[in-house]
Amino acid sequence: QTVVTQEPSFSVSPGGTVTLTCGLSSGSVSTSHYPSWYQQTPGQAPRTLIYSTNTRSSGVPDRFSGSILGNKAALTITGAQADDECDYYCVLKVGSGISVFGGGTKVTVL
Amino acid sequence: EVQLLESGGGLVQPGGSLRLSCAASGFTFSSDAMTWVRQAPGKGLEWVSIISNNGGATSYADSVKGRFTISRDNAKNTLYLQMNSLRAEDTAIYYCAKGRVLNYWGQGTLVTVSS
Repeated sequence: QTVVTQEPSFSVSPGGTVTLTCGLSSGSVSTSHYPSWYQQTPGQAPRTLIYSTNTRSSGVPDRFSGSILGNKAALTITGAQADDECDYYCVLKVGSGISVFGGGTKVTVL
Repeated sequence: EVQLLESGGGLVQPGGSLRLSCAASGFTFSSDAMTWVRQAPGKGLEWVSIISNNGGATSYADSVKGRFTISRDNAKNTLYLQMNSLRAEDTAIYYCAKGRVLNYWGQGTLVTVSS
């Protein structure tokens, strides 16, 4: 069974930069996994930030960026703001039309 | 403006069935694949199922395979999820999302499986 891994939590200072990663339990992540990133505040539906590795969704500020770093997908937030404090999820297409979400990363801005 | 509106959630006993619907507007529904994602209370997101734009291809997570069926009616711009043999662990908010990349989401509908 494929497991997608994310850091459980991360802290960043206001104005700082943080990079979240999304890996596979076995193997490396590539653009062929079409990594995507979603932001979710409590009680709200997820919001799409990045899809297909590095394409920013409509209306998403350019301080959010996606990439492949080493053997993982990455979401970088530059100039962190207070309202960036929430949960972030990645998803990877793992084959046969199936995708798997990571467990999510809780980001704290302090 | 893209809008996705889920309905059909509610309380159901273990072993029961429920059909969720997702009414879509603001885009050409028949051109896009559609996806169901769920979130158990206090837990993370779980990818459930996807259907191609014409309904000819479907895929399921192992956790629901054989119990859930995804379908769509392009004439009605509506996506469905038929859920049978429901278990307590199926309790979750169910979201429909546009496309394979989930670039738009509905607000979700809550399914509670309990006796």
